[in-house]
Amino acid sequence: KAGVTQTPRYLIKTRGQQVTLSCSPISGHRSVSWYQQTPGQGLQFLFEYFSETQRNKGNFPGRFSGRQFSNSRSEMNVSTLELGDSALYLCASSLLGGDSNQPQHFGDGTRLSIL
Amino acid sequence: GDSVTQMEGPVTLSEEAFLTINCTYTATGYPSLFWYVQYPGEGLQLLLKATKADDKGSNKGFEATYRKETTSFHLEKGSVQVSDSAVYFCALSDSSSASKIIFGSGTRLSIRP
Repeated sequence: KAGVTQTPRYLIKTRGQQVTLSCSPISGHRSVSWYQQTPGQGLQFLFEYFSETQRNKGNFPGRFSGRQFSNSRSEMNVSTLELGDSALYLCASSLLGGDSNQPQHFGDGTRLSIL
Repeated sequence: GDSVTQMEGPVTLSEEAFLTINCTYTATGYPSLFWYVQYPGEGLQLLLKATKADDKGSNKGFEATYRKETTSFHLEKGSVQVSDSAVYFCALSDSSSASKIIFGSGTRLSIRP
């Protein structure tokens, strides 16, 4: 069974640009969550999507947005990139979400570097 | 809000030593507790979990017990191996949403042969 797949693995952008990251969950999983990992702030929850709807949201500015498609694949978009957006972005999927008995499975992440 | 505090790293041990990584939490409800491990260049892997007080999670020789009275979930292993070198994260499911996981700052563990 394939795991969570995130593309691309690495990305370099400049300030002011926008970027789109992609996440394909494990087959059959309908909940997808996104996290940002930085040395200074650690791992922080961005948002969760379930059945194409954003179900939960963390404390990030509106420049961070996402969406989920009918096949449960999810994309995350960051507009007007800032240097502080340099981070490892992790995606996690679970069967239904909302139940801590259903573990979240993480992808290997997309490392975004802003120049 | 809910939060997790874990011991600062890095932690360096010799192979076959006993490991303890301390973790305490603050939560308004009754969260589930987790330990995740991150190997270099990889994402997070769930190591073990406990969903209620006095539960013991265990996997690959690692153990942690959900202690409600001390709000702790310390990770232990009796004999570490070089392959255990990684970053370990203590985490809990947010009281408002089980899909939202709150992580500690991580503890880097290095094992000397």
